[in-house]
Amino acid sequence: GAGVSQSPSNKVTEKGKDVELRCDPISGHTALYWYRQSLGQGLEFLIYFQGNSAPDKSGLPSDRFSAERTGGSVSTLTIQRTQQEDSAVYLCASSSQQGQPQHFGDGTRLSIL
Amino acid sequence: SQQGEEDPQALSIQEGENATMNCSYKTSINNLQWYRQNSGRGLVHLILIRSNEREKHSGRLRVTLDTSKKSSSLLITASRAADTASYFCATDAGYNQGGKLIFGQGTELSVKP
Repeated sequence: GAGVSQSPSNKVTEKGKDVELRCDPISGHTALYWYRQSLGQGLEFLIYFQGNSAPDKSGLPSDRFSAERTGGSVSTLTIQRTQQEDSAVYLCASSSQQGQPQHFGDGTRLSIL
Repeated sequence: SQQGEEDPQALSIQEGENATMNCSYKTSINNLQWYRQNSGRGLVHLILIRSNEREKHSGRLRVTLDTSKKSSSLLITASRAADTASYFCATDAGYNQGGKLIFGQGTELSVKP
């Protein structure tokens, strides 16, 4: 497809389990962003990838969160030992370059029981 | 919090009326962007205004930016029921911040037919 694709769209898991969220950006977009949207915190930046540069991880809330981007395309966000406060919608966005409009996927709704 | 503020938090109007949403932010910016989010979906980019611009138009949308007051407004003219959504402003602090966006809390717009 032409847009940003995220999977799964919904994920329910037990506290303490690890989860992997996937993002497939628009082809050719060099910049990729992860955000988290929750009721109490609004939309928060998590991590940013630009080409082959080291990622900006300044928004990751704890060391349980990590992300990688393979081959400059698909990205996975991994949350280890999930906690109930990790419940949120995780949104991925890509742009042709930084400073340009970002194109968002529909997100993964994560629920931790 | 780095996030800006939007007001009103919620706005209910009749079709055909104009809707105005305001956004304030805290840091210097490279550009400010407005996004729209329908329930359960990702964000859709509406308009981008650069720090050296004061006003921008796109169809029924008009955005103003006052960098001295660190504020912006989004005007939707002749609203339609299909404009019902949440609207977010987002600031881009510039190249050394990688283009990551800092979002406001959003305004929920309801347009009644």
